[in-house]
Amino acid sequence: DVKVTQSSRYLVKRTGEKVFLECVQDMDHENMFWYRQDPGLGLRLIYFSYDVKMKEKGDIPEGYSVSREKKERFSLILESASTNQTSMYLCALLPYLYRPSTDTQYFGPGTRLTVL
Amino acid sequence: EDQVTQSPEALRLQEGESSSLNCSYTVSGLRGLFWYRQDPGKGPEFLFTLYSAGEEKEKERLKATLTKKESFLHITAPKPEDSATYLCAVLPGGSQGNLIFGKGTKLSVKP
Repeated sequence: DVKVTQSSRYLVKRTGEKVFLECVQDMDHENMFWYRQDPGLGLRLIYFSYDVKMKEKGDIPEGYSVSREKKERFSLILESASTNQTSMYLCALLPYLYRPSTDTQYFGPGTRLTVL
Repeated sequence: EDQVTQSPEALRLQEGESSSLNCSYTVSGLRGLFWYRQDPGKGPEFLFTLYSAGEEKEKERLKATLTKKESFLHITAPKPEDSATYLCAVLPGGSQGNLIFGKGTKLSVKP
């Protein structure tokens, strides 16, 4: 079974803190994604990575950065946390979606971040 | 603008009462449409991929179909354990992998 783990299920931080969210996979999967999920807004893509040291901006990258130094690990960094970054953060492994694939997609369990 | 709309927002069924969830989309060059199930406080669980109009996929009580404008998730004789939020997402042509998600349909199945 593929496992996608996230460093914390629940996290409470203060405004202005630097926050690290980590995603670790146990498969040799190239494509890793970070989403945030908010009521009424659905899932929105923050950043994604197709390989080590590669990163691409999604729809809402402002206030976030990412790091992928090893293939199995993709970190999301909130440089200076703000209250509007309170959300559920989801890491995902997605196959090469630009060609038909029978590969399964995997999402992590999520980190519910509250910024006070 | 690429867009995905799911309806209804919420659906309450009695156990055994079959129904369908709708996912309508407006995208430039659909590369794929995906269905997920999400339980409260958990990450989405991947269900199906559909690539072309006319395609169908089945898994237990669920069947997904695709036309050129929309997809349906049919639930046959649902059970209480089918209660969850069902999400739909599309991959537009030209996208590097940026899925566009609908807001989901919250399904409740009462015994």
